[in-house]
Parts: sequence; structure tokens; C-alpha cells
Amino acid sequence: QKEVEQDPGPLSVPEGAIVSLNCTYSNSAFQYFMWYRQYSRKGPELLMYTYSSGNKEDGRFTAQVDKSSKYISLFIRDSQPSDSATYLCAMSAVETSGSRLTFGEGTQLTVNP
Amino acid sequence: DSGVTQTPKHLITATGQRVTLRCSPRSGDLSVYWYQQSLDQGLQFLIQYYNGEERAKGNILERFSAQQFPDLHSELNLSSLELGDSALYFCASSAWSEGEKLFFGSGTQLSVL
Repeated sequence: QKEVEQDPGPLSVPEGAIVSLNCTYSNSAFQYFMWYRQYSRKGPELLMYTYSSGNKEDGRFTAQVDKSSKYISLFIRDSQPSDSATYLCAMSAVETSGSRLTFGEGTQLTVNP
Repeated sequence: DSGVTQTPKHLITATGQRVTLRCSPRSGDLSVYWYQQSLDQGLQFLIQYYNGEERAKGNILERFSAQQFPDLHSELNLSSLELGDSALYFCASSAWSEGEKLFFGSGTQLSVL
């Protein structure tokens, strides 16, 4: 079983839709949760960063963490064609030395005008 | 622009050859990470360096090696290349105080023919 599971999609929605992207994980040591956006053939770009449980909002994006269920979500409101990309969740445990992320496989999102 | 610079953008080589990928981290970042991204494996952590010293190792093959130089730039050396090594190789950097926030370069696309 993978430590982080993410539905690969692809997901296709009309412009203006609300998008929900999700990841589940098995490692209870994970404390830091991130969402990265990756446009085709480009490097991943940090989109949202949360520590522990709760919600965080940034413009049209909301990240939600439920540690009791080991489940994180990214909501995109009023989706735009420019949001078309692959979204990767990433998680990290608190470690004494080194720091590395465990990534989900990514969900490919297409927002159609 | 993440501030992380990777060269070259593309590399085409033959099996059995050796190549070197180069990365310059964001100004001030001491940590450098190397990741491999392929269609079937997703984003895989290879190795981390912090201020010139190896800090963490992931799924890096023995044919691969890396180093970080005093000016903090890093090189990833891939030798005895096989067809299966064809992938996107990303470098990322992070600040010491926020090690979980990675900033990725635009990647090197390696094609082994």
C-alpha cells in the first residue's frame, strides 16, 4: 500500500465549477501538508501549505486537512482554464534530520471554457 | 519563476553513457533535493544535500551520484544509462527554517535512446 493515495483522474470540469481534489494517507507521522500545481513539462509549484489539521484559504483555493481521517482536500472555486494542470498533494513528517516530501501521483485537471 | 535554475533543459544520449545535470538553488537556500519524475513512478525523491553534505537518501540507484559544491550549486551524475532512466529530473531547494517548502526548478528532460 502506498503511503499517499491520490486519484489520478483525469478530471474535466466546465469553467466556473467548484473542483475538489483529494488525497488519503496512511502515515500518522505526517504533520505538514502541501499542494503543488504542475503545468505540463514544468516544475511543480507550491500552491498551498498547511501544518496539522484545519482549513487554509488563499483566494479561490482552500486546503483542508483532517488528520483523524488521514484525508486532505484542495477546493478550487470559480475554476478557470488557467487552472488546468496536474495537482500533486505532498506530505512530510517531522524528522530530526533531513526533510523530504512524499508525493501523491497527481490529479490531472482540465477546466473547459 | 521559482529562483531554482537547472541546466540543461533537454538531454538526449545513448545507453551506457554518463551525463551530468546541474542545479543552482534559490539565493540563500542551503538544501538541495533531486527528484525523478516518470509516467509510471510519479515524483520520486532521490537525494538531499544540506550545505555541502548529504542529508537524506531516497530511491537513488548506485549508478547515480550527486554532490553539492561550496557555492551551493549541485550536480547529479547519472552513469551506465539505461532506457528506463529516461525521465524528468527536478532539482528543488528549501530554506533551513522551512525545510518542507520546496521550490522546484523547471527540470531536465533526459531521453536515453
